[in-house]
Amino acid sequence: DGGITQSPKYLFRKEGQNVTLSCEQNLNHDAMYWYRQDPGQGLRLIYYSQIVNDFQKGDIAEGYSVSREKKESFPLTVTSAQKNPTAFYLCASRERGGNTEAFFGQGTRLTVV
Amino acid sequence: GQQVMQIPQYQHVQEGEDFTTYCNSSTTLSNIQWYKQRPGGHPVFLIQLVKSGEVKKQKRLTFQFGEAKKNSSLHITATQTTDVGTYFCAGGKNQFYFGTGTSLTVIP
Repeated sequence: DGGITQSPKYLFRKEGQNVTLSCEQNLNHDAMYWYRQDPGQGLRLIYYSQIVNDFQKGDIAEGYSVSREKKESFPLTVTSAQKNPTAFYLCASRERGGNTEAFFGQGTRLTVV
Repeated sequence: GQQVMQIPQYQHVQEGEDFTTYCNSSTTLSNIQWYKQRPGGHPVFLIQLVKSGEVKKQKRLTFQFGEAKKNSSLHITATQTTDVGTYFCAGGKNQFYFGTGTSLTVIP
């Protein structure tokens, strides 16, 4: 089955700890995206990547970091510098060019206590 | 960055009533896409509009793209309980922006 997988579905961390969220796709998509969704709100773009070994900041990149060493993988690290990390995180992928549908993972709900 | 606003933020309708959500972008879009997110789920692609003034239909759903390619709308005729969820518009070639979303509640 082709698709995009995020893991884990639920994640709990103590304040001050870094945490890495996984996103893997086997759709052969070049473009990948990370979004943050807070209750009752829309999707805000954190980081995006159009090709391997290249990525750009979205609107709310502060306190987050990413890597794109492989086409299939685009992990997101939520660092201790992120002031309010508790949220629902969604990863998406699509073909490069901006003219195709995006596929989303199931999301990771991160709770920092 | 690019701003994509949607109104209303929330809409409650009786089953059988119609529903419309409006999407406005601060910049001209090459295309616009619509997604639906069920409660507790992830966004799922509905449709893409590319041409100025384009109108597309999917059963009870009608999608329009404005003449200036800066706004769009989604209209649902005779809502059903299965229509419950949040509807997002989205656009952008590299930076893929989502609108603020409209949450639809359908009262049986």
